[in-house]
Parts: sequence; C-alpha cells; structure tokens
Amino acid sequence: LAKTTQPISMDSYEGQEVNITCSHNNIATNDYITWYQQFPSQGPRFIIQGYKTKVTNEVASLFIPADRKSSTLSLPRVSLSDTAVYYCLVGDYTGNQFYFGTGTSLTVIP
Amino acid sequence: NAGVTQTPKFQVLKTGQSMTLQCAQDMNHEYMSWYRQDPGMGLRLIHYSVGAGITDQGEVPNGYNVSRSTTEDFPLRLLSAAPSQTSVYFCASRLTGTGSYEQYFGPGTRLTVT
Repeated sequence: LAKTTQPISMDSYEGQEVNITCSHNNIATNDYITWYQQFPSQGPRFIIQGYKTKVTNEVASLFIPADRKSSTLSLPRVSLSDTAVYYCLVGDYTGNQFYFGTGTSLTVIP
Repeated sequence: NAGVTQTPKFQVLKTGQSMTLQCAQDMNHEYMSWYRQDPGMGLRLIHYSVGAGITDQGEVPNGYNVSRSTTEDFPLRLLSAAPSQTSVYFCASRLTGTGSYEQYFGPGTRLTVT
C-alpha cells in the first residue's frame, strides 16, 4: 500500500476555503484515494473518494492531478464544526486494505 | 438502522487475560474490518473479512484473532492481553461491488491493559 504524507496541523478562519494536500508518491495504477473526517472520541466518517481529476459532492471537492502522486481536499467556507482530523487514504483496487497515515488536525478559528 | 455497533465501550484488562470485542452491523455489508488507533496516530488495520467464513490479515495482526460466522458479526479476540494492546479499537463495514469505498465506522472500544 502506498504511504501517505499530510501536514500535521492547519488553522483557518471561519468562512474561508481550506485546502489540505496529501502526498502519495507510490500510488499504484489501480489504487483509489479516499478522505475521512474524525472528531475526538468518534470513529472516522467518510467524506469523498476519487481516482483522478476532480470529484465534488455536497460537502467537499477532491482534486487529483494527472500523475496521481498527490491529492487535495477542498472544504468550502469552513465553520467551527469542521474542526477535526482529516485523513487521506490510499486503498488497493479491491477496497480491502487502506493506509490511514497520521492525518491533518484542522482548527477553525472564529 | 443501528449501523455499526461495538461493545463494550470501555474495558480494562490485566496482562494475560483474554477477551472478545464485539462488532455488529445491520446493513448487510459483506466487508468488515478492525482497526486500532493509538494516541496521536492514525488507524491501523488489524484484520478484515470480505464475507462469512473469509478473513485475512491487515497491517498489525499479531496478538489478535478473528472469525466471521455470519454477515452481521465480526468479533475480535485478544487471547493474552499485553500492555502494548492498550488502544482504541474501531470496527468498520462496507458494501462491496458498488464502486464505493465508503466505510462505516463504529463508535469504538477503549481498551486499557495493565
């Protein structure tokens, strides 16, 4: 499985757009990228998944360049409730194994 | 739907004791998995199952056993607990064959081994 590298922490003001970038240099051809959010004392919650280019859903966008060695999670207009740890995962094509990494702790400031 | 449930929420064991962490899901998901999360760390995969009767090892399987006799349940057994197994344990499940890699996580079991 490809290992992932993310910034340890980020701060953002409420209402701003936040971009969290993840590096996964050894991603294999058929691997998928997913992002999760985790609040303290809770299990992770799925945000978005992608393979290449751009994916958007009701809460976030995911940008993946052509070489797929990195990906960027974009959170539009963050609020205080978005303060959490965000994990970038690379999973094999079977979806059976994922590498979580250490995540990015996002703090939203009023 | 209750989703993914885990029992107990908290557990304290002495070194050498055994116990089983329970995990159940009511979403008819074929795939289930167990992770552990140590303080300040990401989750690490212990074991997973792609259906009843089928299990496989993840990144950190040593010291843990699993079995999958039904689609709904996926218990994790610690045969002889060690302080290094102090952690928070999460169970997750996923629907397969849909193209979605979304996993649904339970609330976790906080285990302390003294």
